[in-house]
Amino acid sequence: EVQLLESGGGLVQPGGSLRLSCEASGFTFADKAMSWVRQAPGKGLEWVAAITWSGVTTYYADSVEGRFTISRDNSDSAVYLQMTSLRADDTAIYYCARLGAVSGHWMVFFDYWGHGALVTVSS
Amino acid sequence: EIVLTQSPGTLSLSPGERATLSCRASQSVSSGYLAWYQQKPGQAPRLLIYGASNRATGIPDRFSGSGSGTDFTLTIRRLEPEDVGVYYCQPYGASFGPGTKVDLK
Repeated sequence: EVQLLESGGGLVQPGGSLRLSCEASGFTFADKAMSWVRQAPGKGLEWVAAITWSGVTTYYADSVEGRFTISRDNSDSAVYLQMTSLRADDTAIYYCARLGAVSGHWMVFFDYWGHGALVTVSS
Repeated sequence: EIVLTQSPGTLSLSPGERATLSCRASQSVSSGYLAWYQQKPGQAPRLLIYGASNRATGIPDRFSGSGSGTDFTLTIRRLEPEDVGVYYCQPYGASFGPGTKVDLK
C-alpha cells in the first residue's frame, strides 16, 4: 500500500523558514517523481513544486520560485520542501503527492496523496 | 498558461441523480492529458480519472470521464451521499481548475 506521511508543519512568523518532510513507503521511491501541492484555507489546490526521480530536474510555481526548494533522498525514501522568506499568503495545508507515469513526460498527474501538513504564517 | 473553467460552481442534487461536471480549457489539452480529483470534506484529494477517461485504482464505475481538446466532462452516474465534495480537473503539467462543489439537496 502506497503511503505518504508529511511532517514539519507548524506556526512560523513572517520572514521565517520551515522544512517539510514526506516519508514514502509501499513503492519503489527512486522510480517516481514527487511533488508538493498546497491548499490555502477555504481555497483550491495549487501545485507548488516537483522533482524528478533522480532529483536533477525541478519545477516551482511562480508564487514560490526563489523562496522554496524541493529536494529528495532516495536512500531514505523522502522528499523535502525547504521554505524561506515565508509570507502570510503561504499559509496552507501542504500535501505531498506522487506523480503518475506517462511515457516521455514527468510532470503529469498526481496518483497518491498524503494527508497534509498545516503551515501557518503569522505574527 | 492554460486557464481552466469549471462549471457549475456548485451542483446540488438528490441521491440517485446523475451529476455532470464540466471542465473547459483555454487551449487544447494534448492527447487527452487531463485528470480529475475528488476532495471530500476534511480529506486530502484523491485521483479519480486520468487520461481523460481512465478510472484510477479502486474508483467505482459510476464515475466516468470523457472529452478531448478543450472540453472535458466528469459524470457521476448515480450520486451517492459519500460523493459529496469538491471536484477538480487538472491538465497534465499544469495546475488545477477552481473546482465544482457537489452537495445533496
